[in-house]
Formats: sequence, C-alpha cells, structure tokens
Amino acid sequence: DVKVTQSSRYLVKRTGEKVFLECVQDMDHENMFWYRQDPGLGLRLIYFSYDVKMKEKGDIPEGYSVSREKKERFSLILESASTNQTSMYLCASRRDRGPYEQYFGPGTRLTVT
Amino acid sequence: QKEVEQDPGPLSVPEGAIVSLNCTYSNSAFQYFMWYRQYSRKGPELLMYTYSSGNKEDGRFTAQVDKSSKYISLFIRDSQPSDSATYLCAMSGEGSSNTGKLIFGQGTTLQVKP
Repeated sequence: DVKVTQSSRYLVKRTGEKVFLECVQDMDHENMFWYRQDPGLGLRLIYFSYDVKMKEKGDIPEGYSVSREKKERFSLILESASTNQTSMYLCASRRDRGPYEQYFGPGTRLTVT
Repeated sequence: QKEVEQDPGPLSVPEGAIVSLNCTYSNSAFQYFMWYRQYSRKGPELLMYTYSSGNKEDGRFTAQVDKSSKYISLFIRDSQPSDSATYLCAMSGEGSSNTGKLIFGQGTTLQVKP
C-alpha cells in the first residue's frame, strides 16, 4: 500500500512565524504535491515537484515556498504565517506516468492566530 | 466557468438507497477520471479510476464516464452509513499541454441515514 505521511495532524502557530510542514512518501513516486483545502473552495494546488530539487508553482503559491532535497520528502514552508493561511494542508504523491492517480496523506490542520 | 463542476450537496439518503454522484467538465483533453472519498478531518482516499469512456465496477461502486457529454458518475448501491463522506471527482489529461495535474471537483457531501 502507498503510504504518505505528514509530520503533524494539528498545528497552531502565531502570525509571523515561519512554519514547516513535512511530507514523506514510501512508494518511490517521482511527483509530489501540496494542496490546501477550504470549505466552499475545494482543493487548491499550491506547489508541486516532479523531481528532486525541481518545483513548479500551482494555482496559489503566494506566501508559500517548498523544498525537495530527497525523492521521498517534500516540505511546504510558510515564510511568515498569516491568519488567512489557516487551512487544511494535504500532501499527495504519484508516479510519473498515467493514470495519474494521486495518493494523499492524512492532512495537517493548521491554525494561525 | 470552472473546468470541473460538482454539486456540493449535501445529499441525504436512507440506508440501502442507490446513490448517484455526478461531475461535468469542459476540457475535452481529460482522459483519466477518478473518484476520491474523504471522511471528515481525513485525507482523500482513491476509490476508483477509469480511463476514457466506459464503466468500471468494484463491489457496490460503479464509475461511468461519458466523454461525448463530458459527464462522469459514481453510483453506490445498497448505501451504508459508513459511506457518509465527501466524494470528490478528479480528472487529468496527457500530453505537453498538461503535466498530469489533477483537476478536482468541489466535492459532494453524502449522508446515509440508518
């Protein structure tokens, strides 16, 4: 079974803090993704990576950065957390060929106060 | 107009009912179609996927794709309270114009009442 794990299930941070969200997958997948999920807005892609040290912006990259130093690990960084970044953050991975199904982690519910 | 449209519901049915969940889309390049189930405060889990048009059955679940109408469906037979969740459709194309990113519907919340 594909396993995607995320470092925290729940996180509370203060405005202005630098926040690191970690994701690890154990299936040797080439591609990894970070989404945020908000009521009424669905899943929105923040960043994705198709290879080590490679990254591409998704639909809402502002205020976020990412790091992929190893194939199995993909980190999301909130440089200076703001209250509008309170959300559910989901990491996913998939192999580099069709049918492109993505496997998700359990999510991190981040609250910024 | 969104690329993928999905009625958010909520949809409430009695136990044992047949449930029909649907998505429409606008991009004719989509060829891979998926359904995810997401329980409250959990990550989405892949339920089924189909390639191009046609039907696929897995136990009580049937996925249908009608590319001519740009319409996909998920049917749940003999629905159970444990099926209560949010169901998200997702789709992707191939080729240089698409990196294989999934485009998600907003999700339909289903409640199956005992």
